[in-house]
Amino acid sequence: GQQLNQSPQSMFIQEGEDVSMNCTSSSIFNTWLWYKQDPGEGPVLLIALYKAGELTSNGRLTAQFGITRKDSFLNISASIPSDVGIYFCAGPPGNQFYFGTGTSLTVIP
Amino acid sequence: DTAVSQTPKYLVTQMGNDKSIKCEQNLGHDTMYWYKQDSKKFLKIMFSYNNKELIINETVPNRFSPKSPDKAHLNLHINSLELGDSAVYFCASSPSPGRERNTQYFGPGTRLTVL
Repeated sequence: GQQLNQSPQSMFIQEGEDVSMNCTSSSIFNTWLWYKQDPGEGPVLLIALYKAGELTSNGRLTAQFGITRKDSFLNISASIPSDVGIYFCAGPPGNQFYFGTGTSLTVIP
Repeated sequence: DTAVSQTPKYLVTQMGNDKSIKCEQNLGHDTMYWYKQDSKKFLKIMFSYNNKELIINETVPNRFSPKSPDKAHLNLHINSLELGDSAVYFCASSPSPGRERNTQYFGPGTRLTVL
């Protein structure tokens, strides 16, 4: 079945650094979503992308819908300790819905 | 004020038992989902209901049976629990139609431990 591969799998960064992560699929997506999951909580939607090439920001977060429609990118600028968590890409190829493998982010104060 | 709520938050039970997890959303959404998150944090959709009708039924054992009494509720019943069922189960909902139909809102999860 469809698999969304995220990289890197985990990141350990110093507070204040910028973060980049990406997500690739074997299928074309019409929507890309980025979620964050805090420990012990459910995923929370960060950014939704609906068009190839689209670049959308939400505070210090910026995400892009890849022009091939098979990838997406998430950047976090000037990381802070509360950015810790697991970041998931997600999307629907057709009528199904898949989550990526996740990128675990640790921010060291 | 909780948008998507699940009960219980923790569930510890013996192998072979039958258990249910309840989910309710007060967002007025038409579509609800159940996901399973394993120990490696991989999230996999199990079921999706739209206006009380099943629209996605991934390959899960038939010991798992969702029930939607109305569009604000989607419960998950599990028969004959097995060790491999231990996981965190998330309920979610999304509005429809329109492009926002895929923006899902998640509950806090139910951690199921089968002994």
